[in-house]
Amino acid sequence: AQSVAQPEDQVNVAEGNPLTVKCTYSVSGNPYLFWYVQYPNRGLQFLLKYITGDNLVKGSYGFEAEFNKSQTSFHLKKPSALVSDSALYFCAVRDDNAGNMLTFGGGTRLMVKP
Amino acid sequence: DAEITQSPRHKITETGRQVTLACHQTWNHNNMFWYRQDLGHGLRLIHYSYGVHDTNKGEVSDGYSVSRSNTEDLPLTLESAASSQTSVYFCATTTGPNTGELFFGEGSRLTVL
Repeated sequence: AQSVAQPEDQVNVAEGNPLTVKCTYSVSGNPYLFWYVQYPNRGLQFLLKYITGDNLVKGSYGFEAEFNKSQTSFHLKKPSALVSDSALYFCAVRDDNAGNMLTFGGGTRLMVKP
Repeated sequence: DAEITQSPRHKITETGRQVTLACHQTWNHNNMFWYRQDLGHGLRLIHYSYGVHDTNKGEVSDGYSVSRSNTEDLPLTLESAASSQTSVYFCATTTGPNTGELFFGEGSRLTVL
């Protein structure tokens, strides 16, 4: 079985400050990890993914995520937050036997204040 | 550009009625998925299909059915709508086999009174 936890319902950050959105996962095999973003009244959009290789993954809009196998975490980060980054962020996981079936976390709302 | 479209975007229905939500993609991808989004639950998989005439149950499939008669469409049917099925429904397809990168439709908001 595979599962994802996003421990924070909401993260508040001032514009220009670094941001971190946390995600931990559980899989039986090798993890494939993803971050998606959802703007109001829209579908989810793919941000970045970790399959293998470098533990620091860079994605769209200046976001990056760090894979930590020992802590089973895949936290989303950005060095300098923008007001336009305010949205709902979802972490997702699948193991290497799950085909394209992703399991999503509950989501974290990011609020960036001017 | 290729796209994935859902209809209707908003629907209000009554308990016990049959409802069908449409999903159409123009990528010609085999893999298609239906999720529901509820506060506190994130997205939960309802049904998925890996190709024509292939359908599979997801985590929360009770009360829902799908059929895949062609590559482009995966309609989701609620045979007898219940208030617990009030939700936002998202259809998705993948960019390719085993990539995990999903393209989502804009969603269908269903209210069951």
